[in-house]
Amino acid sequence: ETGVTQTPRHLVMGMTNKKSLKCEQHLGHNAMYWYKQSAKKPLELMFVYSLEERVENNSVPSRFSPECPNSSHLFLHLHTLQPEDSALYLCASSQDAAMNTEAFFGQGTRLTVV
Amino acid sequence: DQQVKQNSPSLSVQEGRISILNCDYTNSMFDYFLWYKKYPAEGPTFLISISSIKDKNEDGRFTVFLNKSAKHLSLHIVPSQPGDSAVYFCAASFSSNTGKLIFGQGTTLQVKP
Repeated sequence: ETGVTQTPRHLVMGMTNKKSLKCEQHLGHNAMYWYKQSAKKPLELMFVYSLEERVENNSVPSRFSPECPNSSHLFLHLHTLQPEDSALYLCASSQDAAMNTEAFFGQGTRLTVV
Repeated sequence: DQQVKQNSPSLSVQEGRISILNCDYTNSMFDYFLWYKKYPAEGPTFLISISSIKDKNEDGRFTVFLNKSAKHLSLHIVPSQPGDSAVYFCAASFSSNTGKLIFGQGTTLQVKP
């Protein structure tokens, strides 16, 4: 039990579909993150939310749309994705978005775009 | 341009021996470094960290060494155990308020019984 739960664990979607990834944390943290891990590449930060406000968008295409309705939940809305967007999407949370805080990760959603 | 590099994709050691995982970085402004461990089908889990004001941090069997002049850090696991077999990621962050972690590619450690 990591305290950060992601659903679904696996997702296959067509390029015209709209789907959403969900992340929930039960750690009382104030910051939440989306990371992406493509094949044979390092984890890449996509978005940072601090106290439900987006504080960083790491040049992510608009076909990825994050939403943070409260400090415990984070969504990643997906639409008109490309096959190269297939990857492992990891959610993480930390006490806050300040320096010297370690992030706790969920198990990830393995996304395949066909 | 990758700012954090783990040049060894894999490492194999015998149970009971020392495992040394290496990480190099290019940006001297990084001031906090972390190691994460990842098992298959699980998310990364935090292992140990070190601030740039230190050169060593120890936690049980795990020790992280930081050499700022060489922009190099290493994770030592001693004694290594079969349960340590996993992918190990090095990460670095800046003295800023974005919580942004920059990861290396990972090193797969196999500890043989």
